[in-house]
Amino acid sequence: GQQLNQSPQSMFIQEGEDVSMNCTSSSIFNTWLWYKQDPGEGPVLLIALYKAGELTSNGRLTAQFGITRKDSFLNISASIPSDVGIYFCAGRYSGAGSYQLTFGKGTKLSVIP
Amino acid sequence: NAGVTQTPKFRVLKTGQSMTLLCAQDMNHEYMYWYRQDPGMGLRLIHYSVGEGTTAKGEVPDGYNVSRLKKQNFLLGLESAAPSQTSVYFCASSYRQIAAGADTQYFGPGTRLTVL
Repeated sequence: GQQLNQSPQSMFIQEGEDVSMNCTSSSIFNTWLWYKQDPGEGPVLLIALYKAGELTSNGRLTAQFGITRKDSFLNISASIPSDVGIYFCAGRYSGAGSYQLTFGKGTKLSVIP
Repeated sequence: NAGVTQTPKFRVLKTGQSMTLLCAQDMNHEYMYWYRQDPGMGLRLIHYSVGEGTTAKGEVPDGYNVSRLKKQNFLLGLESAAPSQTSVYFCASSYRQIAAGADTQYFGPGTRLTVL
């Protein structure tokens, strides 16, 4: 099946720093999604990307759909304590009958005040 | 709107016992999904449904059964629980994929299951 590699696995950063994480796939996707999961909660959608090269922002978050369609990046600027959580990328190739998302294993973000 | 709700929030079972997890959504979504989340493994799809009365296997279906008798509900059953099924279970739902933006999944809060 499709494989998603998400990196880094975990990050410890100082409040105010910028954060970058990425996902790479063994095959192409035509949808990339980024979710955040707070402790004890379900994942919540942050950003959705649908076109190669697309760059989309949501407040301090910016995500990009890689031109090769095999990668995506998420950046968080000026991190704050509430950014703590696990960030997941997810991809889908919407071919006929394909309803499944493939999830990365997550990047655990810790913010030091 | 409550969004996606899951019942129960926590459960402890003994090996061999059975149970059913209930997922309900009030967004009129056609598609519903069951995932399990294990440490370091991310989210893995167990079963999914593209409409009332239909179900299909995902990545890790063994040991689970599902039913979608009503559009708003998706049930996940464990007939004979095993310790390997200790996990956090998430339900999700989405609209039918008819346009970009229509296929994002909305998740419930999760059910934490321990099998002793």
